[in-house]
Amino acid sequence: EVQLVQSGAEVKKPGESLTISCKGSGYSFPTYWISWVRQMPGKGLEWMGNIDPSNSYTNYSPSFQGHVTISADKSISAVYLHLSSLKAADSAIYYCARHRRWLQNPLDYWGQGTPVTVPS
Amino acid sequence: QSALTQPASVSGSPGQSITISCTGTSNDIGDYDYVSWYQQHPGKTPQLIIYDVKSRPSGVSNRFSGSKSGNTASLTISGLQAEDEADYYCTSFTNTKTLIFGGGTKLTVL
Repeated sequence: EVQLVQSGAEVKKPGESLTISCKGSGYSFPTYWISWVRQMPGKGLEWMGNIDPSNSYTNYSPSFQGHVTISADKSISAVYLHLSSLKAADSAIYYCARHRRWLQNPLDYWGQGTPVTVPS
Repeated sequence: QSALTQPASVSGSPGQSITISCTGTSNDIGDYDYVSWYQQHPGKTPQLIIYDVKSRPSGVSNRFSGSKSGNTASLTISGLQAEDEADYYCTSFTNTKTLIFGGGTKLTVL
């Protein structure tokens, strides 16, 4: 069974940093790319960027370029989303989702989401 | 890069059909047949229901169908059921090699 399991909910203070993990199982991890998607409270979905775990090639949305870092450790089938200098506006649910090689392919399995709260 | 344009809400009665539109530009929907649709129930994870404009993943009801004309993609749900009440999001691949989502549509089954 394909699963993407994310790390748990986080409460952080403004200015702190945060790394969320996403671990895949039930499939050949290096052959699927992982995207990160943000959902702010009561709002829609936003694509942040993606990574090819086989070589750590990354691609970012212009809206998030420079604000987040995506990395991977294929030896443990994990992908990470790093957010620094957190602000209240970073409060959201962050999802990882896999897709076959290249972004043209759909996000067919999603993680359960990691809620992040940064009090103002 | 603006989000794709979806109606904020649509509604229909059980058994009826509804269509949700998703309008982009020649830089995304108009140039590629890589449009997907996702269903998200409240408090749940998004689920893929349509990909490549009109293909359905295994296990998705054939009451869901997709189409595209020019810069606009559409999702049609026929034979509405109470369980279809959810938020629906379209996405498209873009000519800058990114993915763009629609703003989402809340479907209410009356």
